[in-house]
Amino acid sequence: DIQMTQSPSSLSASVGDRVTITCRASQSISSYLNWYQQKPGKAPKLLIYAASSLQSGVPSRFSGSGSGTDFTLTISSLQPEDFATYYCQQSYSTLPTFGQGTKLEIK
Amino acid sequence: EVQLVETGGGLIQPGGSLRLSCAASGFTVSSNYMSWVRQAPGKGLEWVSVIYSGGSTYYADSVKGRFTISRDNSKNTLYLQMNSLRAEDTAVYYCARDESYWGQGTLVTVSS
Repeated sequence: DIQMTQSPSSLSASVGDRVTITCRASQSISSYLNWYQQKPGKAPKLLIYAASSLQSGVPSRFSGSGSGTDFTLTISSLQPEDFATYYCQQSYSTLPTFGQGTKLEIK
Repeated sequence: EVQLVETGGGLIQPGGSLRLSCAASGFTVSSNYMSWVRQAPGKGLEWVSVIYSGGSTYYADSVKGRFTISRDNSKNTLYLQMNSLRAEDTAVYYCARDESYWGQGTLVTVSS
């Protein structure tokens, strides 16, 4: 199985901050990497697919980059509605796997 | 409009069985890559099972041999048959189309 490791596990930031979350795969996954946002009691929401493509309707302050084993999700200027948990997920193998999540909290 | 509605969750004793359903509208289940993903209380996401449009199925090691994913084309519905349930199967179970569309989830609680 492909293991996905996110860092940090939690992060405190302020509205307007630039935030970066990293995700590392245990083997190369090319660009088969997605990012999700999840708020309490809600289903995950796809933000970024194929490492760097913005899902329709997602604000442009969200961006993704990387390929191979190392990936990043960047939020350019945090908004109040962005405080949530973020997950990376590889879709390279026949059964996808998620990172453990990064909880983004208000400082 | 794409919609996914999961039903079938509830409280079940260890060793019991449960079948989850995911009724789809706005698209054809059999033409898409469909998944079940779960989330234990306070924990992260775990991809449980997938079924490809061609019919191939895959399972997480944690449920292999106990869970079966299937679909009913006439009802445009995805299923997850869960047997030999364990306490660690307690979670909210989501169905998903591709990675883009998700249901609201149904809670399965395995407890005596």
